[in-house]
Amino acid sequence: EAGVAQSPRYKIIEKRQSVAFWCNPISGHATLYWYQQILGQGPKLLIQFQNNGVVDDSQLPKDRFSAERLKGVDSTLKIQPAKLEDSAVYLCASSLDVRPSDTQYFGPGTRLTVL
Amino acid sequence: AQKITQTQPGMFVQEKEAVTLDCTYDTSDPSYGLFWYKQPSSGEMIFLIYQGSYDQQNATEGRYSLNFQKARKSANLVISASQLGDSAMYFCTIGGGNKLVFGAGTILRVKS
Repeated sequence: EAGVAQSPRYKIIEKRQSVAFWCNPISGHATLYWYQQILGQGPKLLIQFQNNGVVDDSQLPKDRFSAERLKGVDSTLKIQPAKLEDSAVYLCASSLDVRPSDTQYFGPGTRLTVL
Repeated sequence: AQKITQTQPGMFVQEKEAVTLDCTYDTSDPSYGLFWYKQPSSGEMIFLIYQGSYDQQNATEGRYSLNFQKARKSANLVISASQLGDSAMYFCTIGGGNKLVFGAGTILRVKS
């Protein structure tokens, strides 16, 4: 079974530029998550989708971050304009559903460096 | 709100010995799941083990076991027979049906 796919793996941009990340979850997983992991910290949830609807985006900086999950499968996360503090690893995860027992499986992440 | 506390920033263990990584949690949800993940230096987040709040027995997965003490709100990870490949960051997390809340993590170094 294929895991969660993410691209690109690495991205370097200048501040104020825009960037987009792509995620394809495990087949059949209804729930998709985007996390931000700053160096030395645990991941922080940015947004959670259930199929193509948003369940939780309370920690998404909506003035610069946006995300969509058209057709309830793959998803894109965009940052526009980027700031220096956006330098982090962006992790995508998916789970079958939203029950407490549903394990989240993570992709390899995209490492973003903002100069 | 849910919270995870991992009080050990770093741990060392001798190869082939057992090690316990501590985790305490706080939640007001009656039903929740506790998960441990491993993150090697390569960056991927690898699922290790799951414990449900209503599970009567401690979870085990190969060399990993979870010492679940519900009354004390602790969910310590025990790794038996440590291997050099176990060197990584370990995260304890709690989920109540949606997002995972992560602790700060514990860096484990296995010495040969």
